[in-house]
Amino acid sequence: EAQVTQNPRYLITVTGKKLTVTCSQNMNHEYMSWYRQDPGLGLRQIYYSMNVEVTDKGDVPEGYKVSRKEKRNFPLILESPSPNQTSLYFCASSFGAEETQYFGPGTRLLVL
Amino acid sequence: GQQVMQIPQYQHVQEGEDFTTYCNSSTTLSNIQWYKQRPGGHPVFLIQLVKSGEVKKQKRLTFQFGEAKKNSSLHITATQTTDVGTYFCAGQGGTSYGKLTFGQGTILTVHP
Repeated sequence: EAQVTQNPRYLITVTGKKLTVTCSQNMNHEYMSWYRQDPGLGLRQIYYSMNVEVTDKGDVPEGYKVSRKEKRNFPLILESPSPNQTSLYFCASSFGAEETQYFGPGTRLLVL
Repeated sequence: GQQVMQIPQYQHVQEGEDFTTYCNSSTTLSNIQWYKQRPGGHPVFLIQLVKSGEVKKQKRLTFQFGEAKKNSSLHITATQTTDVGTYFCAGQGGTSYGKLTFGQGTILTVHP
């Protein structure tokens, strides 16, 4: 089944404790992206990747890191999480930047 | 940077009434996509518009892309309870190819 998977789905952590949210797709998509969703603000793009080893900043990259070592995986890293990074995070992938995006199920993060 | 404004933020309708949500971009877009997110779910692609003045229909849903490619609308005729959810537009354009900017979303509630 074609899908985008994210892990974990729910995470409670404390300020400053490094964490990684994984994202994997099995559709051989070149384009992958991370978003955060907050009430009243919609979806805001954090980082995106056009292909392996090619990443670029979205609108809200501060406090986040990403890597794209393999085509299928695009992990989101929070080196030192802070409470303002409490949010719902979505990973998405597509064949190209202007193609239909397929979203993962989301990861709900709470930083205390 | 590019901004995409979406109105209204909330819309409550009685089942059978029509519904429209509007998106306006601060810059000319190369394309605009529409997504629907059911409560507790992830965004799901509805349609993409590319051409100036383009109009596309999907059953009771009508999508329009403005002549200047800076605005778009989604109209639902005779809403049903299954239409409940948040509708997002997402635009691409400007100098950062690959960057996707979402509107804030319109939360639609349909009362039976």
